[in-house]
Amino acid sequence: QKEVEQDPGPLSVPEGAIVSLNCTYSNSAFQYFMWYRQYSRKGPELLMYTYSSGNKEDGRFTAQVDKSSKYISLFIRDSQPSDSATYLCAMSLSDLEGGTGFQKLVFGTGTRLLVSP
Amino acid sequence: DVKVTQSSRYLVKRTGEKVFLECVQDMDHENMFWYRQDPGLGLRLIYFSYDVKMKEKGDIPEGYSVSREKKERFSLILESASTNQTSMYLCASSFPPTTNYNEQFFGPGTRLTVL
Repeated sequence: QKEVEQDPGPLSVPEGAIVSLNCTYSNSAFQYFMWYRQYSRKGPELLMYTYSSGNKEDGRFTAQVDKSSKYISLFIRDSQPSDSATYLCAMSLSDLEGGTGFQKLVFGTGTRLLVSP
Repeated sequence: DVKVTQSSRYLVKRTGEKVFLECVQDMDHENMFWYRQDPGLGLRLIYFSYDVKMKEKGDIPEGYSVSREKKERFSLILESASTNQTSMYLCASSFPPTTNYNEQFFGPGTRLTVL
């Protein structure tokens, strides 16, 4: 079983739809949860991050974490064609490893989202 | 803006060749990372470095080595390229976390094909 599971899609929606992207994970020690967006032929860029459980909103985007269910979600309201990209969830532990200050990120496989005009 | 650049966008090499992938960041970040990205497998960490001349193995270091002679530059080396190393290679950098989290900034990636 993978540490982080994410449906690869593609997920196709019309412009204006509400989009829900999800990841499940198995390691209850994860404390930091991130969503990266990756456009075609580009590197991932951080979209949102949350610490522990709860919701975080940024414009049309809402990140939600349910640690009891080991489930995280990203909601996109009023989706736009420019939102078409691959969305990767990522998570990390709270403790710094080995005193180096490095935190390993564990990524989902990514969900490809297509928003049609 | 943070900028992470990678030396090539596309690269085609033959089996057995020695391959160098270069990454440069301009934000004075201490940490640098090399990942590979494959369909259905996501991003997997190959190596990382938290300081000049320091390196640590990631999840899949076999067949790879790295070099960090200067703070801004992190090189990934395939000593003898094989077809199963055909992949998208992504470099990233970050500051050491002052809290328990710090953002990783990614380069545009190098798509390597080994024939």
